[in-house]
Amino acid sequence: NAGVTQTPKFRILKIGQSMTLQCTQDMNHNYMYWYRQDPGMGLKLIYYSVGAGITDKGEVPNGYNVSRSTTEDFPLRLELAAPSQTSVYFCASSSGAIANYGYTFGSGTRLTVV
Amino acid sequence: AQSVAQPEDQVNVAEGNPLTVKCTYSVSGNPYLFWYVQYPNRGLQFLLKYITGDNLVKGSYGFEAEFNKSQTSFHLKKPSALVSDSALYFCAVRDGSGGGADGLTFGKGTHLIIQP
Repeated sequence: NAGVTQTPKFRILKIGQSMTLQCTQDMNHNYMYWYRQDPGMGLKLIYYSVGAGITDKGEVPNGYNVSRSTTEDFPLRLELAAPSQTSVYFCASSSGAIANYGYTFGSGTRLTVV
Repeated sequence: AQSVAQPEDQVNVAEGNPLTVKCTYSVSGNPYLFWYVQYPNRGLQFLLKYITGDNLVKGSYGFEAEFNKSQTSFHLKKPSALVSDSALYFCAVRDGSGGGADGLTFGKGTHLIIQP
């Protein structure tokens, strides 16, 4: 049981480039989330999804896009990378709607924009 | 709106001593409260949660937390610290009156350092 898998683990982007952060879970969880973690700032919610075909914005969605074509996959797209997007990105999933089931986190993607 | 405060950026404890990592929260409804731990270069791991019931909840690795509604606190505790407990700890909250789909709100994290 792999849980939540994120790829790549590390990436360096130049300003203006685009990329997709991949997230896959094999637990048949309906709820999936993307967070970014900045030093001393905790985790901020970027986007979330309550099921295939349904996504919604979190606290810090600007500069990002998501899609959810299947239950398993929830990719995060950066279209025009900016230095402010340098961060560690975590994908998480949950089986329950009211968060009392807790989250399962991926191991993260460390992104640097130069 | 919901929020979480972890007032200490870092907590230093000698091995074998009890430890406390502080967390206070703000929600309009009933709180769902969580503690997560993050080891270097890893994702967050679930430690324990409070949803309802007994104010003292027990979790993984010998950790426990006490829910105090009047003080809006959910402090993480352990009777005897281990060097291996050194990590970054996050408190998180969700307003239980909501649908829950839009995620947990996390604190900024507290670095716990256990000195041998």
